[in-house]
Amino acid sequence: NAGVTQTPKFRVLKTGQSMTLLCAQDMNHEYMYWYRQDPGMGLRLIHYSVGEGTTAKGEVPDGYNVSRLKKQNFLLGLESAAPSQTSVYFCASSWGQGAEQYFGPGTRLTVT
Amino acid sequence: AQRVTQPEKLLSVFKGAPVELKCNYSYSGSPELFWYVQYSRQRLQLLLRHISRESIKGFTADLNKGETSFHLKKPFAQEEDSAMYYCALNNAGNMLTFGGGTRLMVKP
Repeated sequence: NAGVTQTPKFRVLKTGQSMTLLCAQDMNHEYMYWYRQDPGMGLRLIHYSVGEGTTAKGEVPDGYNVSRLKKQNFLLGLESAAPSQTSVYFCASSWGQGAEQYFGPGTRLTVT
Repeated sequence: AQRVTQPEKLLSVFKGAPVELKCNYSYSGSPELFWYVQYSRQRLQLLLRHISRESIKGFTADLNKGETSFHLKKPFAQEEDSAMYYCALNNAGNMLTFGGGTRLMVKP
């Protein structure tokens, strides 16, 4: 089992460009999450999904959109990237509320 | 609003010394707390959760509701314990709130 995988691993964008980060999990988990990690601030939840076709806002959703068209995939989109979105992005999945979250390896995004 | 505070960004100890990583929380409901760890070049992973009350890799953490704390302790630190540690609080609404993290360095 690959667990949780993220694509791409690294990306550099110019301000105003758009991109999509892909998260895939092969554990048949219902719940999936997108976090950003910034120095000294820990991980902050951007959006999450409690099942295929559902999404919900987390703590810092502005500037991001998500989609969960298939149970195993959770996409994070940046429509118009800003330097403030320079961060490391982590995807995670779990079988249910309060259950252990399994994390991907992260995507390092730099917006210039 | 719920909040998790880890007051130390960096904790440096010598091998064999006791370790305590502090975590304080604020939450109006019944808290569910976790410690996650990220070793160098590895993924973030669950270390332990207060519900299970178990010891993992020699680490324990006790939930103190009176002091709203969930400190992580180990009596004798090992070099392989060097990592980034995050305390996290789960609310009833599917969200996990993380603290800012503490980097533990265990010196030989």
